[in-house]
Amino acid sequence: GAVVSQHPSRVICKSGTSVKIECRSLDFQATTMFWYRQFPKQSLMLMATSNEGSKATYEQGVEKDKFLINHASLTLSTLTVTSAHPEDSSFYICSATSGRVLVEQFFGPGTRLTVL
Amino acid sequence: QKEVEQNSGPLSVPEGAIASLNCTYSDRVSQSFFWYRQYSGKSPELIMSIYSNGDKEDGRFTAQLNKASQYVSLLIRDSQPSDSATYLCAVPLSGGYQKVTFGTGTKLQVIP
Repeated sequence: GAVVSQHPSRVICKSGTSVKIECRSLDFQATTMFWYRQFPKQSLMLMATSNEGSKATYEQGVEKDKFLINHASLTLSTLTVTSAHPEDSSFYICSATSGRVLVEQFFGPGTRLTVL
Repeated sequence: QKEVEQNSGPLSVPEGAIASLNCTYSDRVSQSFFWYRQYSGKSPELIMSIYSNGDKEDGRFTAQLNKASQYVSLLIRDSQPSDSATYLCAVPLSGGYQKVTFGTGTKLQVIP
């Protein structure tokens, strides 16, 4: 149980293009999903918290117009990196929680984004 | 003071030994604590959750919690080379939204 998928696993794009990453909870309903970014040899950095049917809450310093998050259903959240630049190259990871009291987060396999 | 602190390591232990990973946290009201394992280039995987003071055992893993000292640890018995990874301690933030704060992680190297 508690399986989270992400698609695509790897993407290479040109500077200026937009990239959409999907995060799905496969066997549970995710009341809350989180988007993280991780640069090489650094820890996870929370970008935003996404609740189904409401606007995402972004962490300080994260541009909400650049990183668009949509949580359309209890099993799907998407992150769109708009007008990507080389400095956006990173490992993007989503996680989901079922909303139980214990707040365990289950992570997707991650998406490695390379912007040329 | 950081909200969740871990020694970055690397912590090197010989195969078969006990690896001890430590984490301290600053929020006294925290009620639940998590250990994640992250292999290089992969996403984190939840391996242990602990909510009450004392020890919780799951196979070769034992989590230990001391709320008075704001300290949580993870022991790995009979360490295997496949245990070589970065171990992240995670503590929920007060204030809702189910967010957690992750420590920077301890890199464990199990030497065959």
